[in-house]
Amino acid sequence: QSVLTQPPSVSAAPGQKVTISCSGSSSNIGNNYVSWYQQLPGTAPKLLIYENNKRPSGIPDRFSGSKSGTSGTLGITGLQTGDEADYYCGTYDTSLSAWVFGGGTKLTVL
Amino acid sequence: QVQLEQSGAEVKKPGASVKVSCKTSGYTFTSYGVSWVRQAPGQGLEWMGWISPYNGNTNFAQNLRGRVTMTTDTSTSTAYMELRSLRSDDTAVYYCARLHGDFDWFDPWGQGTLVTVSS
Repeated sequence: QSVLTQPPSVSAAPGQKVTISCSGSSSNIGNNYVSWYQQLPGTAPKLLIYENNKRPSGIPDRFSGSKSGTSGTLGITGLQTGDEADYYCGTYDTSLSAWVFGGGTKLTVL
Repeated sequence: QVQLEQSGAEVKKPGASVKVSCKTSGYTFTSYGVSWVRQAPGQGLEWMGWISPYNGNTNFAQNLRGRVTMTTDTSTSTAYMELRSLRSDDTAVYYCARLHGDFDWFDPWGQGTLVTVSS
């Protein structure tokens, strides 16, 4: 069981919007930054969002992040078939003195 | 640009050790930590640990302590991860990633190294 909880899968039609939640606790999300990673099939993870809601250069503004209390959320608008991937949230857990990832969410663009 | 280039795939027998390298370029090696993350087939991401190339400080995931070593060579800007007493459930793709801030985020990642443990 992962320390951070994500839905195993989400789906939506092309052009639509989807959100992926990441639930934690005060020892991790509640007191540290959340980041999000996209893993396309057969490739290494790629940073999508850092410091809760910031996008690295080159990441389109269709991707957004937010944090409230002990939960983080990734939003993707204008879905494209190329967005089909696994998405992971992550943060540092102060109690465990370790980085923790969510279990991952598989996005299907129908 | 910043790049992390990992060594090639390995096949090991149970009980053996494996050492994976991660050669970095495009930035000052000692200014960022390096973390290792692994992913078993069909599974999620598992953080293994971290090393500071600046002073050699390390921190490992509790389930790997005693079996994992992380080192760096500042002369070649390369990080290494060695895992000992390999078991079949260590079969995974192993990634290195540059760590930003105080364990704030990882970017970029290496391409991954497949380690297969099989008799």
